This record gives sequence, C-alpha cells and structure tokens, in this order.
Amino acid sequence: QVQLVESGGGLVKPGGSLRLSCAASGFTFSDYYMSWIRQAPGKGLEWVSYISSSGSTIYYADSVKGRFTISRDNAKNSLYLQMNSLRAEDTAVYYCARDRTGDYYGSGSYSYWGQGTLVTVSS
Amino acid sequence: DIQMTQSPSSLSASVGDRVTITCQASQDISNYLNWYQQKPGKAPKLLIYDASNLETGVPSRFSGSGSGTDFTFTISSLQPEDIATYYCQQYDNLRSFGPGTKVDIK
Repeated sequence: QVQLVESGGGLVKPGGSLRLSCAASGFTFSDYYMSWIRQAPGKGLEWVSYISSSGSTIYYADSVKGRFTISRDNAKNSLYLQMNSLRAEDTAVYYCARDRTGDYYGSGSYSYWGQGTLVTVSS
Repeated sequence: DIQMTQSPSSLSASVGDRVTITCQASQDISNYLNWYQQKPGKAPKLLIYDASNLETGVPSRFSGSGSGTDFTFTISSLQPEDIATYYCQQYDNLRSFGPGTKVDIK
C-alpha cells in the first residue's frame, strides 16, 4: 500500500534552516509528481511546491520562492524540502503528497498524503 | 496567481440534508478543479477530481459539477461521518486551494 512518511520537523529560530524528508513506499516513486503542502495552525491548506517525476520541472508558491528548495532522490524513494531563512509565518504542518496518476505533466490532484510534520518557527 | 473563494465558510445541516458548497476561481480554469475533505488532525482526502469525477472508493453521495470559474460540490444526504472541512483546489496554473468550508451537524 502507498505510504508517505514525513520527518525533519521541529522548532527553529527565525532566520534558521530545516530540511524535511518524505519517505515513499508502495508505488514506483519515479513515476509520480510530488508536492509539499502546508497548513498553519487552525488555518487552511497552502500549496508550497511541486517537482516532476524526473525532477526536471519545479515550481514554488511566491511565499517561499527563493527560500525553499524542493528535490527528490528517485533511487532512495525520497522527497525533500530544504527551508532557509525561516519566518514565523512558515509555522505549519507540512505534508508531502503524491499526484493521483503518473501523467507526464502531472495530474494536479493529490490522492495520497503523509501524516504531516510540524515546523515551528519561534525565538 | 489564481485566487479561489468558497461559500459559505461554514454551515450546519441535519443528517439527511442536501449540502451544497460553491467554489469560484478568479479566472477560467476549465475543469481543473478538485475537492478534498479534511477531518480534524488528519490529512486531506481527495473526493472529486477534474471537477466532477468521483475518486475510487468515495461514496456516491458526494458529487461535483461546474467548469470555467464556477463550481459546486454537493453531499446528497449528509451523514454524521461527513463532518469535516471541505476544500476546493485548482491546478490550471500552479496549484492553489480555497479557504475551506466547515460542515457540521445541526
């Protein structure tokens, strides 16, 4: 069965860095677009970034562009999010999510999600 | 950027009621619209993709319609287990979510 397990969250000071990981299993990881989506405490969902199956196509939300870097290692079935210059407003649960299908251009919908990892940015 | 709005922001309905949520995009997104259900403390769950297609395993009381800028999500007969927040999400241009609609039982 498909499993996505995030790790790497925690408490970090403003301006600090953190690297999130998402370990995937139960499917051919290299066939699917992957995304990071976050949810601030008590708030709605915010798309953060996505990466194509090969890693050649990457997009970011304006709110994180220039500070966050998404990457993947298809040999290790893993997705990453390097977060630099963290701000209080980056405090959220971060989910990794898999596209519904392995379409070449991405399906745009998320059929599998991890349990999330909490990132808290505070002094 | 494409902005998504949803209405209402919250609603209360009785078991068995028909519940309708609307989602509006700031520009034409064709049918590139999905609907998710999120229960407290849980990850979202995909219910409807491409505006009107029911995800595998999702009960048929859930449905979606619309295209262009205006979309509708319907629960034909509200059940106690449907208490959740519902989000629309567009993927015509990058990705973005609506603000959510919280549904509870009257």
